[in-house]
Amino acid sequence: GQQLNQSPQSMFIQEGEDVSMNCTSSSIFNTWLWYKQDPGEGPVLLIALYKAGELTSNGRLTAQFGITRKDSFLNISASIPSDVGIYFCAGLDSGGGADGLTFGKGTHLIIQP
Amino acid sequence: DAGVIQSPRHEVTEMGQEVTLRCKPISGHDYLFWYRQTMMRGLELLIYFNNNVPIDDSGMPEDRFSAKMPNASFSTLKIQPSEPRDSAVYFCASSRSGRAANIQYFGAGTRLSVL
Repeated sequence: GQQLNQSPQSMFIQEGEDVSMNCTSSSIFNTWLWYKQDPGEGPVLLIALYKAGELTSNGRLTAQFGITRKDSFLNISASIPSDVGIYFCAGLDSGGGADGLTFGKGTHLIIQP
Repeated sequence: DAGVIQSPRHEVTEMGQEVTLRCKPISGHDYLFWYRQTMMRGLELLIYFNNNVPIDDSGMPEDRFSAKMPNASFSTLKIQPSEPRDSAVYFCASSRSGRAANIQYFGAGTRLSVL
């Protein structure tokens, strides 16, 4: 099956810093999704990307669908304490209908006071 | 909408016991997914349904695991007999057909501990 490599595994940053994380796959995806998971909760969708090269923003979050369709990036600008959590990339290679998402292992974001 | 509802939130049981996890998808969603999350393996798809029919159960670990969806508003994931290695957080997710099918909404999960 597909492999998704997400990096970094964890990030320790200061409040106000910008954050960058990425995912690469061994095969082509048609859809990239970025989720955030807070402790004790399920993942919540942040951004969905459907076209190679697409750049989409959601507030301080910006994500891009890589041109090769094998990678995606998520940036968070001016981090705040509530950004703490685990960020997952997820990819789908099905063209039309739903299928199970392939998830990266997650990036743990920790903001130091 | 209340979102995807899972119960119980926490389950502690002894090895060998039967465990049943429950899920109510978002009304109008015709896809339902069961995932398992562990530190070692991350989020893994176990099985998914479309219009109450199981489509892909290749992620189900072994015969001890079974899932049903008797109607559009209810699904169960059963483990019988349970083993300590089944300890994990189990998530249910749902989505609509069409392009929106790619966007899955997750429940809060059931944290299972098998002693």
